[in-house]
Amino acid sequence: AQSVTQLDSQVPVFEEAPVELRCNYSSSVSVYLFWYVQYPNQGLQLLLKYLSGSTLVKGINGFEAEFNKSQTSFHLRKPSVHISDTAEYFCAVSPNTGGFKTIFGAGTRLFVKA
Amino acid sequence: DTEVTQTPKHLVMGMTNKKSLKCEQHMGHRAMYWYKQKAKKPPELMFVYSYEKLSINESVPSRFSPECPNSSLLNLHLHALQPEDSALYLCASSQGQGIEKLFFGSGTQLSVL
Repeated sequence: AQSVTQLDSQVPVFEEAPVELRCNYSSSVSVYLFWYVQYPNQGLQLLLKYLSGSTLVKGINGFEAEFNKSQTSFHLRKPSVHISDTAEYFCAVSPNTGGFKTIFGAGTRLFVKA
Repeated sequence: DTEVTQTPKHLVMGMTNKKSLKCEQHMGHRAMYWYKQKAKKPPELMFVYSYEKLSINESVPSRFSPECPNSSLLNLHLHALQPEDSALYLCASSQGQGIEKLFFGSGTQLSVL
């Protein structure tokens, strides 16, 4: 079985400041890792994913994440945030054996202040 | 076309009503999903159709009845719902092996009175 823990429920940050949203996971099998963003009144949109290869993954909107197998973490970072980045961010894992059961973390609310 | 389209966007229904939620994608994806999302919570998987066959039913009450008429369409039939069923219902699709990224629709915000 897999589980995902997002360590911060809310992260307030000033515009143009850097931000890190933390995600830890546990699994008995190898997994694929994802970050999704959800803007108000919308569905989820993929920011980036890690399947294999380089542990530093770049996504859309200037976000990047680093896979750390020893620490079972997949933290999301952005060097300079904008007001428009205010949204809910979900870390997710999917076992590489398939099965359609993507597991989502509880979410982190990023609030960017002017 | 990389969109998943859901209709209606909003739905208010009484506990004795019958209604349906609709979802459509034209990306050639062979897996389609229904998720339920309560406010400030992550999406919870309800059903998965793979190649138009029901693959996963996460012990969802029978008042929710999914249907996959073809590879592009997914319906969720609702009957005798309870107020606690009020939530955002999200449709998603993926290429079909269950390990790829999910493409989500904007959801149907359902209120049960």
